[in-house]
Amino acid sequence: DTAVSQTPKYLVTQMGNDKSIKCEQNLGHDTMYWYKQDSKKFLKIMFSYNNKELIINETVPNRFSPKSPDKAHLNLHINSLELGDSAVYFCASSQDAGDPYNEQFFGPGTRLTVL
Amino acid sequence: GQQVMQIPQYQHVQEGEDFTTYCNSSTTLSNIQWYKQRPGGHPVFLIQLVKSGEVKKQKRLTFQFGEAKKNSSLHITATQTTDVGTYFCAGPLGSSNTGKLIFGQGTTLQVKP
Repeated sequence: DTAVSQTPKYLVTQMGNDKSIKCEQNLGHDTMYWYKQDSKKFLKIMFSYNNKELIINETVPNRFSPKSPDKAHLNLHINSLELGDSAVYFCASSQDAGDPYNEQFFGPGTRLTVL
Repeated sequence: GQQVMQIPQYQHVQEGEDFTTYCNSSTTLSNIQWYKQRPGGHPVFLIQLVKSGEVKKQKRLTFQFGEAKKNSSLHITATQTTDVGTYFCAGPLGSSNTGKLIFGQGTTLQVKP
């Protein structure tokens, strides 16, 4: 059983399009995250939800809008895609945001290429 | 703001050589976590260090947490091609209860057979 899954794995699209990435975790965790990994492998936190509530909202263009319909799912919608949005997007989860000792479990990633 | 710096950014070694990556935080950490990302893969949790001066081993991997809990290192003895990947250290953000981890930039290890 996959603990954290993401779809799609690859996404190739034109500039200006709108796209969504979906994430699901079956670990029973309360907290989910979206990270962006650039070509230099730097992992940058974008958003985090704890029990469907947004708790981290980093400096991200408002073209990016996360949604958490329930604590097992976290989706990311991106409007008006730009070339600079090309990256690998990772979803992750952890047991409880309030516990700094929790490790994070990452999904397989979505490689987004904007042409 | 709080920063976690990792060096070197890249390391190429011959199979059988040792490898070390170093991690330094601008602030004292409650714990430090290490993750490994294989090429084309996703970060996978390796270990967590909590106590000042703690040393933990996983087979050929040795992890250390500094006495001041501001630095850490990962040492691999006699590297193998299976060790190839990017190693990240990460520490929790200050007193935040958001679960936010500050990741180092990662050290990418290449091993020549």
